[in-house]
Amino acid sequence: DAGVTQSPTHLIKTRGQQVTLRCSPISGHKSVSWYQQVLGQGPQFIFQYYEKEERGRGNFPDRFSARQFPNYSSELNVNALLLGDSALYLCASSTNPQRPNTEAFFGQGTRLTVV
Amino acid sequence: GQQVMQIPQYQHVQEGEDFTTYCNSSTTLSNIQWYKQRPGGHPVFLIQLVKSGEVKKQKRLTFQFGEAKKNSSLHITATQTTDVGTYFCAATSGGYQKVTFGTGTKLQVIP
Repeated sequence: DAGVTQSPTHLIKTRGQQVTLRCSPISGHKSVSWYQQVLGQGPQFIFQYYEKEERGRGNFPDRFSARQFPNYSSELNVNALLLGDSALYLCASSTNPQRPNTEAFFGQGTRLTVV
Repeated sequence: GQQVMQIPQYQHVQEGEDFTTYCNSSTTLSNIQWYKQRPGGHPVFLIQLVKSGEVKKQKRLTFQFGEAKKNSSLHITATQTTDVGTYFCAATSGGYQKVTFGTGTKLQVIP
């Protein structure tokens, strides 16, 4: 069984550009969450999607957006990139986040560098 | 919002020594999760604690959840070089189980 897969693994973008990151959850998982991890810090929650609807949003500017597709895969978009957006972007999937104490499984992440 | 603090931030130990990291919250937690992240890797789920005063063991790792469900600890007995990494506690909250990570403890094991 494949785990959570993210693409691309590494990406270099220029300030002001836009980027799209992709995530495929574990088969059977209907929830995807996105996290930003700046070097030396813990992951910070960006978005959570369940059943194709946004269920939670962290404290990130409107330049960050996401969506979940009918097959439960997800995309994270970041517009007008800033140097400070350089980070590891992690995707986590789970079965039903409404069920208490559900475990989240993380993908390998996309390392984004903004120059 | 929910905040979860961890101490220490860094810990260097000689191989074979024990290691403990502590996680504290100002609010009562519904659960606590522990993750390990190797250098250059992604967080890997270790365990979840749900009940007040719960203690779970995984080989050399012992996890505890405080009686008040506001703190937790991870203890590693006789560390090995394979234990190197950053250990995060995390808590879920809200109807859709948003995960809030602690600040992490970076463990370095000196051979």
